[in-house]
Amino acid sequence: DSGVTQTPKHLITATGQRVTLRCSPRSGDLSVYWYQQSLDQGLQFLIQYYNGEERAKGNILERFSAQQFPDLHSELNLSSLELGDSALYFCASSVAHNEKLFFGSGTQLSVL
Amino acid sequence: DQQVKQNSPSLSVQEGRISILNCDYTNSMFDYFLWYKKYPAEGPTFLISISSIKDKNEDGRFTVFLNKSAKHLSLHIVPSQPGDSAVYFCAANAFGSGNTGKLIFGQGTTLQVKP
Repeated sequence: DSGVTQTPKHLITATGQRVTLRCSPRSGDLSVYWYQQSLDQGLQFLIQYYNGEERAKGNILERFSAQQFPDLHSELNLSSLELGDSALYFCASSVAHNEKLFFGSGTQLSVL
Repeated sequence: DQQVKQNSPSLSVQEGRISILNCDYTNSMFDYFLWYKKYPAEGPTFLISISSIKDKNEDGRFTVFLNKSAKHLSLHIVPSQPGDSAVYFCAANAFGSGNTGKLIFGQGTTLQVKP
């Protein structure tokens, strides 16, 4: 158990809909990262938050947004969903700008 | 732009033999490299890492080798065990260059260790 909690584990929705993925980092970790893993692809970095502030942005679509709350949990919002958004979404956390990330077990999103 | 590449999607090895997983990178600013292991229905878990000031790091059955001039690293598992069957991801960051801490991952290599 990495200590990073992601909910829900599975999400099935339709095109055009909006969903929210939730992540609780390890106790004491200030940085939260979101990654997307599509079929046959590696882990693509989406966005990072550090202590409530956006720290780095990767290949995140404009339809996607995230935030980190004062209690340090984070949410990834995906809107106007398309079939191609179907993927495994991972959240990871680290103490600060630390080299080792701890990953949650992911949310499997299926857009039908 | 794939900065970290794992060109072998899969590898099959007999139990007890050596497994060698390879990774290439293009960004010369990368100064820290990690290997993560992922089982189905689980998140990636940290396995071993190496700083760019070293060329080898060993932890039990796992050894990572770094060849900076070739921008290449490899993970050796000796001896391989059936429980090692998983997807292995290579990752890198430019920690010393003001990087925020995010890791850049390769596409992964699926290792199958046959009994």
